[in-house]
Amino acid sequence: GQSLEQPSEVTAVEGAIVQINCTYQTSGFYGLSWYQQHDGGAPTFLSYNALDGLEETGRFSSFLSRSDSYGYLLLQELQMKDSASYFCAVRDRNNAGNMLTFGGGTRLMVKP
Amino acid sequence: DAGVIQSPRHEVTEMGQEVTLRCKPISGHNSLFWYRQTMMRGLELLIYFNNNVPIDDSGMPEDRFSAKMPNASFSTLKIQPSEPRDSAVYFCAIRDGRLSGANVLTFGAGSRLTVL
Repeated sequence: GQSLEQPSEVTAVEGAIVQINCTYQTSGFYGLSWYQQHDGGAPTFLSYNALDGLEETGRFSSFLSRSDSYGYLLLQELQMKDSASYFCAVRDRNNAGNMLTFGGGTRLMVKP
Repeated sequence: DAGVIQSPRHEVTEMGQEVTLRCKPISGHNSLFWYRQTMMRGLELLIYFNNNVPIDDSGMPEDRFSAKMPNASFSTLKIQPSEPRDSAVYFCAIRDGRLSGANVLTFGAGSRLTVL
């Protein structure tokens, strides 16, 4: 089966940088995704890494190391609106890569 | 929740009652997923359909749960009889056309179910 580990909670101040780590165990790994979910809302897609390295999208970046089964989401210039839960999700050979398994989520609290 | 409409948004029912949750994908897709979210278990995949055919239902908790997709624009998740432990937010999601290699999912707003 699959398993993903990420911290349950992270707190940071506005304007700072925060990194949310994710380690995973799976067979036939295809890629790692990140989703954001605000309280009462639905998960929304942020980024996807299939290859090693850093992918940057505005203030958010995502990193993957396949050899370490590890990735992280980096949020820069934090804003209050970034307070949300962040989920890593792995896409693997299970059902030919058509399914996503989500981690337990990291609740990010941004303080003034 | 662009692309997926779920109803009802909130449902409160009593133990033993039948519950039907609905999902209407708006945009084109070929895969539809039902997820359940609770504080204890996080986001769990219940079942997914490809071209309206159920492909993997290994996440369905037990026989009380059933899902159908009679056409590409409609799916239901039914719980009969419901139990308090079924209380959760149920999300319907479709595969997004963006980044086809990434298996990007677009989620509906969810149906929050409370079973008393």
